[in-house]
Amino acid sequence: QLQVVESGGGVVQPGRSLTLSCATSGFTFSSYGMHWVRQAPGKGLEWVSIIWYDGTSKYYADSVKGRFTISRDNSKNTLYLQMNSLRVEDTAVYYCARSYEGNFFDPWGQGTLVTVSS
Amino acid sequence: EIVLTQSPGTLSLSPGERATLSCRASQSVSSTYLAWYQQKPGQAPRLLIYGASTRATGIPDRFSGSGSGTDFTLTISRLEPEDSAVYYCQQYGNFKWTFGQGTKVEI
Repeated sequence: QLQVVESGGGVVQPGRSLTLSCATSGFTFSSYGMHWVRQAPGKGLEWVSIIWYDGTSKYYADSVKGRFTISRDNSKNTLYLQMNSLRVEDTAVYYCARSYEGNFFDPWGQGTLVTVSS
Repeated sequence: EIVLTQSPGTLSLSPGERATLSCRASQSVSSTYLAWYQQKPGQAPRLLIYGASTRATGIPDRFSGSGSGTDFTLTISRLEPEDSAVYYCQQYGNFKWTFGQGTKVEI
């Protein structure tokens, strides 16, 4: 059974940092690219970042470039998102998703809420 | 960056009716790179259709996708109460992945 479980969300002040984790099981993690996608409260979906299966390539949305860093530990089947210089507009549910057929997202985790507020 | 515009914003229909959801791209999108997702309240999105017309595993055949170029359509042939959700289209291009703003289907 495919499983993707995010953790690490919480309330953080603007300008501070937070690291999210995504634990996976049920598939060969080291064979798949992995994404982070976020959803602000009551809003639509926004792609955040992708990391290649072997970690050699990473891409970011312009809105987070230079502030967020995606990484993975294939020995632990875990994906990470380090978020620095957080802004109020980064408040969202952050989803982890496997890259499916190269260009799509499946499955998704249940998400973890990050609230940036003073 | 390719912008996806979905219409209508909200669709109110009855069980058994047919729903037609539109996704229009600001420039041509390869059908290979177009997908549809369903998101129910309080849940994560679920992949329905990829490659514009291929149903994902376990998706009922009342869901179908079509289209090419800049115009894509998700059709739900016979609505059931559990189809109430927001539906998003998504495309990939040039190492960017973008979503439409969503269509809410009320039953």
